[in-house]
Amino acid sequence: GQNIDQPTEMTATEGAIVQINCTYQTSGFNGLFWYQQHAGEAPTFLSYNVLDGLEEKGRFSSFLSRSKGYSYLLLKELQMKDSASYLCAVRRDDYKLSFGAGTTVTVRA
Amino acid sequence: DTGVSQDPRHKITKRGQNVTFRCDPISEHNRLYWYRQTLGQGPEFLTYFQNEAQLEKSRLLSDRFSAERPKGSFSTLEIQRTEQGDSAMYLCASSLGVGGANNEQFFGPGTRLTVL
Repeated sequence: GQNIDQPTEMTATEGAIVQINCTYQTSGFNGLFWYQQHAGEAPTFLSYNVLDGLEEKGRFSSFLSRSKGYSYLLLKELQMKDSASYLCAVRRDDYKLSFGAGTTVTVRA
Repeated sequence: DTGVSQDPRHKITKRGQNVTFRCDPISEHNRLYWYRQTLGQGPEFLTYFQNEAQLEKSRLLSDRFSAERPKGSFSTLEIQRTEQGDSAMYLCASSLGVGGANNEQFFGPGTRLTVL
């Protein structure tokens, strides 16, 4: 099995930066995903890390340290539309995803 | 093909009734997954298919739940004798499987089930 921990809630101001941490314990690690989920909608893919290091995609970046079982998602230049739940998900060798409970980010004007 | 579709989007039923949900994956994807999500939680894995073969079922999937993917394309999830605890969002996802770049899973909009 795996334990995936991420903070429940975070609040930030429009234009600011927020970092969402995720720690995990798993066997057969085969990648870590971040998904964004707006209320009542399906999760949408944001980023994927399988090797240590930083992956940057526009305003969003994701970092992975496999030895520490740690990842973070960095959201820059926050916009009101970024208010959503952010889900950390670990993939095992069998390609099954296990999700954390999600971090609700609220962006305030 | 614009993505994964699910039908219905919402279902309200009385306890003890049977319900069936449908998922149409992205056409070239050979892997299909079912998840259940309750408020404030991440999606929980239920089962997945590689083409028409059901390769894994979670312990969450009691004998009241059955899933099929008869022709390796669309899938159905049936819940028999529904209970109030079955109320949740049921999400379907698909992926390319072997050969895809990241093999990320693409999610459908979900079916929200309410059992009264």
